[in-house]
Amino acid sequence: AQTVTQSQPEMSVQEAETVTLSCTYDTSENNYYLFWYKQPPSRQMILVIRQEAYKQQNATENRFSVNFQKAAKSFSLKISDSQLGDTAMYFCAFMKPTGGGADGLTFGKGTHLIIQP
Amino acid sequence: GAVVSQHPSWVICKSGTSVKIECRSLDFQATTMFWYRQFPKQSLMLMATSNEGSKATYEQGVEKDKFLINHASLTLSTLTVTSAHPEDSSFYICSARDPQGASYEQYFGPGTRLTVT
Repeated sequence: AQTVTQSQPEMSVQEAETVTLSCTYDTSENNYYLFWYKQPPSRQMILVIRQEAYKQQNATENRFSVNFQKAAKSFSLKISDSQLGDTAMYFCAFMKPTGGGADGLTFGKGTHLIIQP
Repeated sequence: GAVVSQHPSWVICKSGTSVKIECRSLDFQATTMFWYRQFPKQSLMLMATSNEGSKATYEQGVEKDKFLINHASLTLSTLTVTSAHPEDSSFYICSARDPQGASYEQYFGPGTRLTVT
């Protein structure tokens, strides 16, 4: 079984600053996917960014980028030029592909990110 | 984009009664749906994997006789909480996988808040 650890329960930064959320995971799998999800107060889960384990290149999506260190089993999220709308819970998640599909997601405990004006 | 709906969005029921939550994929056929549970200020925990036309696969520690899952069609999965008790009060979220899409892609519903009095 895999585990996902987020060691920062809450973080607070000023608007326009850069913030990094940490995530480590443990698995014996070699092929898997890692995700960062955002959950705003509406509680709708929103996919922020995805990383395939077989890809060495770090994924980026506009202001969001990851630092994926496979050997260290680390998957941090960097948010640049933070905005008030980035305030939310952020969950790191792990998924193992299975045959033609995939297992459900294993989530970390989450980091509550607060962007201060 | 793919849309998943849940009904109801909020339900209050009395202890000892049963309540059914629906998860629908609106614009794609979902062969696999997942049910998650989220307690207040906590992470999402995978409860079960629902496959169309077959029995659901429950995660360890989830009572399958209490949480009945039916995936009778390619667009609908239902979660029935039987003989609900106050400790079953939680936020229940479903996600669905589009078999025509990438294996890692899951689309989340908006969630259902269950309060058992």
